[in-house]
Formats: sequence, C-alpha cells, structure tokens
Amino acid sequence: DTAVSQTPKYLVTQMGNDKSIKCEQNLGHDTMYWYKQDSKKFLKIMFSYNNKELIINETVPNRFSPKSPDKAHLNLHINSLELGDSAVYFCASSQEGLAGVSGELFFGEGSRLTVL
Amino acid sequence: GQQLNQSPQSMFIQEGEDVSMNCTSSSIFNTWLWYKQDPGEGPVLLIALYKAGELTSNGRLTAQFGITRKDSFLNISASIPSDVGIYFCAGQTPSNTGKLIFGQGTTLQVKP
Repeated sequence: DTAVSQTPKYLVTQMGNDKSIKCEQNLGHDTMYWYKQDSKKFLKIMFSYNNKELIINETVPNRFSPKSPDKAHLNLHINSLELGDSAVYFCASSQEGLAGVSGELFFGEGSRLTVL
Repeated sequence: GQQLNQSPQSMFIQEGEDVSMNCTSSSIFNTWLWYKQDPGEGPVLLIALYKAGELTSNGRLTAQFGITRKDSFLNISASIPSDVGIYFCAGQTPSNTGKLIFGQGTTLQVKP
C-alpha cells in the first residue's frame, strides 16, 4: 500500500482552466502539506494542515485553495491556471509528537502540472 | 525568509569514490534533515539530526549537525550507481517549527 498517494500523477491543461490534485495518506499522521517543486528542483512549502486545520499558508496566491475533508486527505484546487503554475506538486505528511515537530516528512510521488 | 545554501550544486563521480556535500544557513536551525529524491519520485528521508554536534550514520551515509547549528554535512562512502539522485538538506528554525526549509539540492551522478 502506498503511504502517501496523489492523483493525478500528470496533468496537462490550458491557461485559465481550474484543476484539482488529490492526496491521501494511510499513515495515520496528523499533519499534511503541499510543496511546490519548480523547474530548478527547488522545493517550497505552500500549505500545511494539522487535523484539518490550516497551520501554514506560505504567501501563496489565493487562486490556490487547499481543502482537508479529514486528517487523511488534503486536496489542492487551483483556479485560473497560469503558465508559472507549471511545476511538480508534492503532498507530504508527518506525525508531530509532544516534543514538537520532527521534520520527518513522507512525500507522495508528485503531480506534474503543465500549463500550456 | 530563511535560506539554506547547499553545495555543490552537482557532482559527477566514479563508482567507489566518497562524496561530501554540505548545507549552511545564516540562521540557527534546531533540526537538520537529509533527503534523497530519485527521478519521478518524491524525496525520501535519509538521516535526521536533532542536536548540535550530533553525528549519525545510515549504512554508507553519515551526516552531522554542525556545532554552530548553522550547518550540516552529508558524506557518502564508496558510492554505487544507485546513489544517483538529488540530495536535499532541510531544516527547521526554532521560530518556525513545522515549516521545513529545503536547500537547492545536490545532483549526484555516478559513473560505473
């Protein structure tokens, strides 16, 4: 069983369209994240949710709207897609203990978005 | 915001050689982690470090949390072809726990 699974793996769409990426984790973790990896492979955090509550919103355009229906799922909806949105989007999860944040993330395989 | 400077940006080495890469920051970090990303996959955690001076090994990999808390290095001994990939350092600052900051990555290629 895949621990963190994302769909779709590939997404090609036109500018101006709206698209969604779904993520599910079966690790029982409380915290989930969306990261964006650009063409230079730079990984940058976009959002994090802890038990369905938004914790981090890293100055992302409001065209990006995450939704967490339960702690095992974190979806990402993108409105009015732009060329610059082309990237690989990674979902991740982690289990944060009482001692604080471990930083140990489990990543999905990524969703490669290409905006034409 | 905080940045991690990772070097070298890329390495092309012969199988059997040792590899060293490092990460520095102008800010103090309370956690340092090293991840590896294979093509078409998400990053996978290799080593996690939580104390200044900590030296941890995972097979042929060894990583250290710098005493100043502003740097970390990763060594790979006796490289093999499957070591190919992108290696990322990552860390958290005391004021931003929960927000993992990544370095720019080191692309490693190993020639058999």
